[in-house]
Amino acid sequence: AQSVTQLGSHVSVSEGALVLLRCNYSSSVPPYLFWYVQYPNQGLQLLLKYTSAATLVKGINGFEAEFKKSETSFHLTKPSAHMSDAAEYFCAVSGTTNFGNEKLTFGTGTRLTIIP
Amino acid sequence: EPEVTQTPSHQVTQMGQEVILRCVPISNHLYFYWYRQILGQKVEFLVSFYNNEISEKSEIFDDQFSVERPDGSNFTLKIRSTKLEDSAMYFCASSEGRMNTEAFFGQGTRLTVV
Repeated sequence: AQSVTQLGSHVSVSEGALVLLRCNYSSSVPPYLFWYVQYPNQGLQLLLKYTSAATLVKGINGFEAEFKKSETSFHLTKPSAHMSDAAEYFCAVSGTTNFGNEKLTFGTGTRLTIIP
Repeated sequence: EPEVTQTPSHQVTQMGQEVILRCVPISNHLYFYWYRQILGQKVEFLVSFYNNEISEKSEIFDDQFSVERPDGSNFTLKIRSTKLEDSAMYFCASSEGRMNTEAFFGQGTRLTVV
């Protein structure tokens, strides 16, 4: 079974400051990890994904995440926050199922607020 | 850019009524999913569908729920007799294949049961 824990349901950062959203995972098999973003009244958009090719993953909109097996973490960062980054961010994990369909198990989400 | 489309965007229904939520997955995708998000809570997996059959379902997906791919393009979620607690945002998703392929999500259908 897989699970993810997102620390901090709400994070506020000043515009231009570092964004750090935390995600820790639990998985009995090598995990595939994802960060999704949800803007108000919109669906889920993939920011980036880890699929074992490289531990540092770069995504869209300047976000990146580093897979650390020793810490079972996959934290999301962005060097300089922009007002348009205000959204809900979800960490998710997938793993092998019997049929190979990869259901996603989501964390509870972190709402990012950008302070002007 | 191809996208997953869901209709309607918002549906209000009376308790006990049947609802059908519709989705058009990306055309070359083979795996289809439904997720739901109750207001203020996390996104939860409901069901996955491949090769015209359910491949996995969660404990939420009880006998009141069913999925169907009635033709080559649509993928539907039916709730037979809605309850107040079915009020949620329902997301359809599709992916090309197994393992690390990305799941593309639709914009969601907000279901309100009154």
